Amino acid sequence: GAVVSQHPSWVICKSGTSVKIECRSLDFQATTMFWYRQFPKQSLMLMATSNEGSKATYEQGVEKDKFLINHASLTLSTLTVTSAHPEDSSFYICSAQLNSGNTIYFGEGSWLTVV
Amino acid sequence: GESVGLHLPTLSVQEGDNSIINCAYSNSASDYFIWYKQESGKGPQFIIDIRSNMDKRQGQRVTVLLNKTVKHLSLQIAATQPGDSAVYFCAENIRGFQKLVFGTGTRLLVSP
Repeated sequence: GAVVSQHPSWVICKSGTSVKIECRSLDFQATTMFWYRQFPKQSLMLMATSNEGSKATYEQGVEKDKFLINHASLTLSTLTVTSAHPEDSSFYICSAQLNSGNTIYFGEGSWLTVV
Repeated sequence: GESVGLHLPTLSVQEGDNSIINCAYSNSASDYFIWYKQESGKGPQFIIDIRSNMDKRQGQRVTVLLNKTVKHLSLQIAATQPGDSAVYFCAENIRGFQKLVFGTGTRLLVSP
């Protein structure tokens, strides 16, 4: 199947700093990428949907100024957590889709710990 | 809001048994459903999908059944193996919306 790669796999940052997570589709061009957040023992919660070249669509309750999403190319989307706080510590997962109606492939996730 | 829920949070089976994981969805406009397997600390792994114009689809050792009348989805795993131990999520795509809504998840524990 298609491969979606996330980097870094895990990151520790100090409170108040910003951290960037990358999501790449390695063998296909993804017109749409999705960012999810998952707390321990909970389900995946969609944060935002990003289409290449346009602004991301954020889910209700997700602060767009705190979670900056950029989808500058068909193979790369980035999530930047700005002014991170300990409550932002979570497992962040991206997924990518070639076109609407096609299978959505998930990355391996990125663990963020804010200390 | 829209939600996809599961009846059983944990399912324990013996190796070799068949497993059935259930999922209820609430939006009649959902037209595409996917089952994912998630192992600890990893991203979701695609297992099988089904569109709303079907009621059954089979893969390798897995079968997904869709009952639109009662808005119910199930994943059947034949001859369950210890490697099948993981959390399983159903997800639905609501027609007209470009996103997946995930259910709460069921943990499958397979004993040797």
